Amino acid sequence: GQNIDQPTEMTATEGAIVQINCTYQTSGFNGLFWYQQHAGEAPTFLSYNVLDGLEEKGRFSSFLSRSKGYSYLLLKELQMKDSASYLCAVSPPEDYGQNFVFGPGTRLSVLP
Amino acid sequence: SAVISQKPSRDICQRGTSLTIQCQVDSQVTMMFWYRQQPGQSLTLIATANQGSEATYESGFVIDKFPISRPNLTFSTLTVSNMSPEDSSIYLCSVGGESSYEQYFGPGTRLTVT
Repeated sequence: GQNIDQPTEMTATEGAIVQINCTYQTSGFNGLFWYQQHAGEAPTFLSYNVLDGLEEKGRFSSFLSRSKGYSYLLLKELQMKDSASYLCAVSPPEDYGQNFVFGPGTRLSVLP
Repeated sequence: SAVISQKPSRDICQRGTSLTIQCQVDSQVTMMFWYRQQPGQSLTLIATANQGSEATYESGFVIDKFPISRPNLTFSTLTVSNMSPEDSSIYLCSVGGESSYEQYFGPGTRLTVT
C-alpha cells in the first residue's frame, strides 16, 4: 500500500517563499502529483514528477527524490490567493496517472 | 481539459435514505473515479467506474453501500445508500486527462446526513 505524509498546516507571509514537504512509502511508484484545493472547491492539478529533480512552472516548482521517497512543492512570491490546501498524491504502478492515493494535505495560510 | 458537472451540488438528507449523485463529462472518457472527502480530510478513492463493466471498489467500500452506474462514456452515478451521519462528506467525481497523468475533478456534492 501507500503511506503519504505532509505537514498539517503552514503559515507564510505575502511575497515570501514556502516549501511544502511530502514523504511517501510505497512498494511501487509511477509518479507524484501536487494539487491545490481552495476551501469549498475541487482540487486543481498543479504539477507532477516522474523522474528525480526539479520541475518548474512559473511561481510553482516541484522536486522529487525517488530514492528518499520525498517531494516538495515550492511556492515563490506568495500571494494571498495561494491560501489553500496542497495535496500530494502518488500514482501506483498499475494505474499510472489514473488512480491516485492522496496525502492528508497541507493547509497553507498566507498572511499580509 | 475536461469539464465536469455534478448534481446535486449539495443536499441535506435524513438517516436511512439514499441519494444518487450524477456526474457528467463534456467528453468521452474511459475511466471515471469517485472520491469522498470528509470534513477537514483529504480525498479517499471510493471506486473506479468503467463503462461496460462492474465498478472496482477500494478497501472499505462495498457495492451495496455505494452502487455505481456507468451507462456510457460521459456519465456516471454514485448512490449513497441507507445513509448515516458518518456519510456526511463531499463526494467528487474525477476523470483522467489525455496525458494520463492529469486528473480533473468535478465541483463536488456536499452531503449532510441528519
